[in-house]
Amino acid sequence: AQSVAQPEDQVNVAEGNPLTVKCTYSVSGNPYLFWYVQYPNRGLQFLLKYITGDNLVKGSYGFEAEFNKSQTSFHLKKPSALVSDSALYFCAVRLSLSNDYKLSFGAGTTVTVRA
Amino acid sequence: SQTIHQWPATLVQPVGSPLSLECTVEGTSNPNLYWYRQAAGRGLQLLFYSVGIGQISSEVPQNLSASRPQDRQFILSSKKLLLSDSGFYLCAWSAGTVTSNYGYTFGSGTRLTVV
Repeated sequence: AQSVAQPEDQVNVAEGNPLTVKCTYSVSGNPYLFWYVQYPNRGLQFLLKYITGDNLVKGSYGFEAEFNKSQTSFHLKKPSALVSDSALYFCAVRLSLSNDYKLSFGAGTTVTVRA
Repeated sequence: SQTIHQWPATLVQPVGSPLSLECTVEGTSNPNLYWYRQAAGRGLQLLFYSVGIGQISSEVPQNLSASRPQDRQFILSSKKLLLSDSGFYLCAWSAGTVTSNYGYTFGSGTRLTVV
């Protein structure tokens, strides 16, 4: 079984401050990890992924995430948040060798960046 | 390039009426297709997925059904809608190969309100 936990329902930061959205995962094997962002009444947009290799992954809109195998975490970060980063963020995981390619999503974290 | 189309964008239906939501993918062949429901702007619930024509797997027993009449077409249906079927429905696809590692691409979603 695979699962993802996003321990924070909401994250509030001031514009220009660093932003971190936490994610921990549980899989019985090597994981593929993803971050998605959702704006109101829109589909999810891909931000970044970890497949293999460098533990620090850089993605769209200045976001990055660090894969930490020992802590089974994949936290999303942005050095300087913008008001336009306010959205709902989802972490997702799947087994590298699953043949149905199902992703397990976290419950989501609402990010609010105040001006 | 690959694109995914989902329609309609919004739908208001009376209780007891039928439902048909359609999703099509362009620019790829033999995709894995998924239907998700998102309630109250939060977590994603996987409803159905399909790894090929006529192959449908149901994740949650409910009032809905899915069909895949063509390789790149995925339809979500109901014979009689319930109030609890209201929500935001998302279609997604992923590449159907063992080495695929790009996660999902989502459609723009359908906001269904059952009245």
